[in-house]
Amino acid sequence: AQSVTQPDIHITVSEGASLELRCNYSYGATPYLFWYVQSPGQGLQLLLKYFSGDTLVQGIKGFEAEFKRSQSSFNLRKPSVHWSDAAEYFCAVGRGTTDSWGKLQFGAGTQVVVTP
Amino acid sequence: SQTIHQWPATLVQPVGSPLSLECTVEGTSNPNLYWYRQAAGRGLQLLFYSVGIGQISSEVPQNLSASRPQDRQFILSSKKLLLSDSGFYLCAWNSEGDGYTFGSGTRLTVV
Repeated sequence: AQSVTQPDIHITVSEGASLELRCNYSYGATPYLFWYVQSPGQGLQLLLKYFSGDTLVQGIKGFEAEFKRSQSSFNLRKPSVHWSDAAEYFCAVGRGTTDSWGKLQFGAGTQVVVTP
Repeated sequence: SQTIHQWPATLVQPVGSPLSLECTVEGTSNPNLYWYRQAAGRGLQLLFYSVGIGQISSEVPQNLSASRPQDRQFILSSKKLLLSDSGFYLCAWNSEGDGYTFGSGTRLTVV
């Protein structure tokens, strides 16, 4: 069965510092990988996705993620955090088959707090 | 452009009362539609998904049901709410394997 693990429930980072959010997945086939961000009381917004090709993916808001098949990881990074990046971040994995590719499995989320 | 609408934004309902949450999508046809629930401090749990009118798949046994009466309309219902049904409900759609687009969610509190 597929699963997604976000080891860090909560991360506090200073504004201007770098940020890295970890995501590990367990999946028996080629995964589709996503990162979403959720502001309080809001829906989720797609930051970036990986289907195939270049393993370093650029997303919106200055985020990037790197797919490492050997480590089953898809970590999210940002070189310099802004106060507006305070939110909850979710990693998700989708199945790579045409009959069920649309069903995403989400991690439990990482809450990011940005301090002045 | 494609948009997804979800309402109401917040809802407080007594135990045992019925529920109807609606989700509509604009700007696309034949989307895959999903209902997720997010309990406090937890990730997202897929409740239902639909690949077409009248086609509903349930992921977990529960007190809820879903219907898709029109191509771009997805409804989440319950005949009698339980306290455990409280949570944040999110509708989403995707097409062409491009990830999900989420609605703004409904905060349901069962009292």
